[in-house]
Amino acid sequence: KNEVEQSPQNLTAQEGEFITINCSYSVGISALHWLQQHPGGGIVSLFMLSSGKKKHGRLIATINIQEKHSSLHITASHPRDSAVYICAVHFGNEKLTFGTGTRLTIIP
Amino acid sequence: EAGVTQFPSHSVIEKGQTVTLRCDPISGHDNLYWYRRVMGKEIKFLLHFVKESKQDESGMPNNRFLAERTGGTYSTLKVQPAELEDSGVYFCASSQTGLLYEQYFGPGTRLTVT
Repeated sequence: KNEVEQSPQNLTAQEGEFITINCSYSVGISALHWLQQHPGGGIVSLFMLSSGKKKHGRLIATINIQEKHSSLHITASHPRDSAVYICAVHFGNEKLTFGTGTRLTIIP
Repeated sequence: EAGVTQFPSHSVIEKGQTVTLRCDPISGHDNLYWYRRVMGKEIKFLLHFVKESKQDESGMPNNRFLAERTGGTYSTLKVQPAELEDSGVYFCASSQTGLLYEQYFGPGTRLTVT
């Protein structure tokens, strides 16, 4: 069965802390997305990756194809980073399978 | 360039009523996807259009849901009659031919069935 698991489900941290959110999937994938959803807001695509590592500002996404695992890191976290972060994958086709999301709260 | 837009942003209806959600993809995007998130669950795929044709509708929950994309531009998702368990956020996404994995999401429509 094609599944995506994220951890943790909820994460609260102090401003400035280094944040890591994890995503594991059950079988081989074509590509993986990290998405962000602010309360009451739409979904924004942060990264799409199929190998290696990508960086954008304070956000870093890595993927290990052999271990079927990806991580999203946030450096120098800020209260505006508070959102739900969602991992979603393509299991060999164009439709996305989503993780349950990680609710991140950064306290000033 | 305008992004994916959805209308309405929020709809509150009573059980048994009909609601129609609309999605306008990015201009030129032939692929259009509907997803939804019901309370406490992960977002799930509903269906995929390529232009006006339904490529994959394996995620449609039942025959109370009808999706159309006449002319291959905007799409509508009708729920008739709505049930309480249909409450959730309905997202639309679009992508270009050949760039299927680069999906751009709309802001979503929050549907509340009372």
